[in-house]
Amino acid sequence: AQKITQTQPGMFVQEKEAVTLDCTYDTSDPSYGLFWYKQPSSGEMIFLIYQGSYDQQNATEGRYSLNFQKARKSANLVISASQLGDSAMYFCAMKRNTGFQKLVFGTGTRLLVSP
Amino acid sequence: DTAVSQTPKYLVTQMGNDKSIKCEQNLGHDTMYWYKQDSKKFLKIMFSYNNKELIINETVPNRFSPKSPDKAHLNLHINSLELGDSAVYFCASTQISGNSGNTIYFGEGSWLTVV
Repeated sequence: AQKITQTQPGMFVQEKEAVTLDCTYDTSDPSYGLFWYKQPSSGEMIFLIYQGSYDQQNATEGRYSLNFQKARKSANLVISASQLGDSAMYFCAMKRNTGFQKLVFGTGTRLLVSP
Repeated sequence: DTAVSQTPKYLVTQMGNDKSIKCEQNLGHDTMYWYKQDSKKFLKIMFSYNNKELIINETVPNRFSPKSPDKAHLNLHINSLELGDSAVYFCASTQISGNSGNTIYFGEGSWLTVV
């Protein structure tokens, strides 16, 4: 079975600073993908970044980067130069890449960016 | 050009009623999902369809019946609504065939309140 753990219910960061949101996972599948989604107060789920289990390099998308440590089964999200608009819930999720494919989500981390 | 669109966005209804939520994706994906987000923000898969065929059915009451008239549409019908059905329901889609590492895109969510 797949499992995602996000141990930080809430995080605070000042504007322009970097912040790391933690995510660990558990799976027995050799091929899988790891995702981060942002959910602002308006409620929509916004895809941020994807990391495949066989990708050699860490994924980056603008100010978002994924610190993938396969041996530790961790996939932390790093947001650089935080902005006020980054305040939101952040969900880590994973999906096996074979068979029945579904996203399994963590419980989320609420990030608050202060001026 | 909304990629995954759901209607209605907000729905308030009385206990015992029957209601439907519609979902359409214009991404040409072959797989669609329904997820439920409870009051604690936890996201859990309900159903998944691949090319109009049901492939994932998590432990969901029989009162919930998904219908996929074609691979671009996945509707959710709920009979005899109960207070506990109040939640945000998200539709999502992805392409599985021919590409194992694809992102899953979400609709904007449908806020269901049962009173």
